[in-house]
Amino acid sequence: AQKVTQAQTEISVVEKEDVTLDCVYETRDTTYYLFWYKQPPSGELVFLIRRNSFDEQNEISGRYSWNFQKSTSSFNFTITASQVVDSAVYFCALSEMGDSNYQLIWGAGTKLIIKP
Amino acid sequence: NAGVTQTPKFQVLKTGQSMTLQCAQDMNHEYMSWYRQDPGMGLRLIHYSVGAGITDQGEVPNGYNVSRSTTEDFPLRLLSAAPSQTSVYFCASSSDSLSYNSPLHFGNGTRLTVT
Repeated sequence: AQKVTQAQTEISVVEKEDVTLDCVYETRDTTYYLFWYKQPPSGELVFLIRRNSFDEQNEISGRYSWNFQKSTSSFNFTITASQVVDSAVYFCALSEMGDSNYQLIWGAGTKLIIKP
Repeated sequence: NAGVTQTPKFQVLKTGQSMTLQCAQDMNHEYMSWYRQDPGMGLRLIHYSVGAGITDQGEVPNGYNVSRSTTEDFPLRLLSAAPSQTSVYFCASSSDSLSYNSPLHFGNGTRLTVT
């Protein structure tokens, strides 16, 4: 069955440190998408990135980077030179082309605390 | 840009009461959905709709009803509130009815407490 595991419940680092949030997924589908969403303390959920199963290229956007490795079923998210504004809960999610319910399977989230 | 608008932001209900959480989007999105968020459990899909007149159940539909009479609106009804329905509810939409590959746009959430 499909599953998304974010083993790190909470991470606390000092500002300017680099931090990596782990995401491990399980799926039997060959075509799927992986997503990261951010939920800042204000509560809204914001889409960060989408990656399809055929594209294993790493993605970099400013201080954010994502490492997708099918061999280890992981889609990890790294923040370089973290800032207080990065404090949020980050969710990894999986969707499969073969799922007729169009469901996203969500991880439980990782709460990231950046201390000044 | 309004995006996805949810009302109310906060609500307290007594056990057995009913209410409707409102959700409207102005992006002409076909796909709309309702999630609940509980601590340590991520988001769980309650109901979804791939277009006006079409709704279906998600992972946790019991105790909730939905309808989709227009593309813009997707209200969620709690029939008889129970303390187990205390949660934060999010409405989300996406541009593609085959939502498996489309990012979701979320409303700001409704924090519901049932006493």
